[in-house]
Amino acid sequence: GAGVSQSPSNKVTEKGKDVELRCDPISGHTALYWYRQSLGQGLEFLIYFQGNSAPDKSGLPSDRFSAERTGGSVSTLTIQRTQQEDSAVYLCASSLGQGGQETQYFGPGTRLLVL
Amino acid sequence: AQSVTQPDIHITVSEGASLELRCNYSYGATPYLFWYVQSPGQGLQLLLKYFSGDTLVQGIKGFEAEFKRSQSSFNLRKPSVHWSDAAEYFCAVSSGGSYIPTFGRGTSLIVHP
Repeated sequence: GAGVSQSPSNKVTEKGKDVELRCDPISGHTALYWYRQSLGQGLEFLIYFQGNSAPDKSGLPSDRFSAERTGGSVSTLTIQRTQQEDSAVYLCASSLGQGGQETQYFGPGTRLLVL
Repeated sequence: AQSVTQPDIHITVSEGASLELRCNYSYGATPYLFWYVQSPGQGLQLLLKYFSGDTLVQGIKGFEAEFKRSQSSFNLRKPSVHWSDAAEYFCAVSSGGSYIPTFGRGTSLIVHP
């Protein structure tokens, strides 16, 4: 079946512009995660959605970052007034349920470059 | 708080040689442990995971990992590396009470022909 998809694959933007990154999780997966991967760094947790519960936004680095998940499926990560330090790969992952034992299935990521 | 350390940033091996990638974690109770692989331009893919039971876990692509509670380690091994194994490898830890895993910084594997 289809895996996690993300769009766009690459995004180049100018400092100060807003960007939207999209994630389509695996059908039926109730949990959805966003991570940021900077060069030479591990995965930095950003936000977590589980079903209809309020999202865990504890990893968002600033109020310029926001995310929503519509209908328990597609998610959009929005970065307002982008800065050069926002340049990174943004990864989305989904899992069948919640809980520490769940396997996460990752999308290929969106590579964001802020000029 | 849980944490994961991958002490090696880069590992270089010759094709056909054995491989061991190190992972140390910090967590009070029995953790859930994962190894993921990331090929260039791709997302992460699960290689194997440990929850309980047999401490030697078999995964895909010929990889295995051993959970050693006394050393707080979960090292990844492969007896004979193939050129296609060149990738970034991430160790991750979570627990029953935490649905957000903590990832290590990754180890980049370079395979020489």
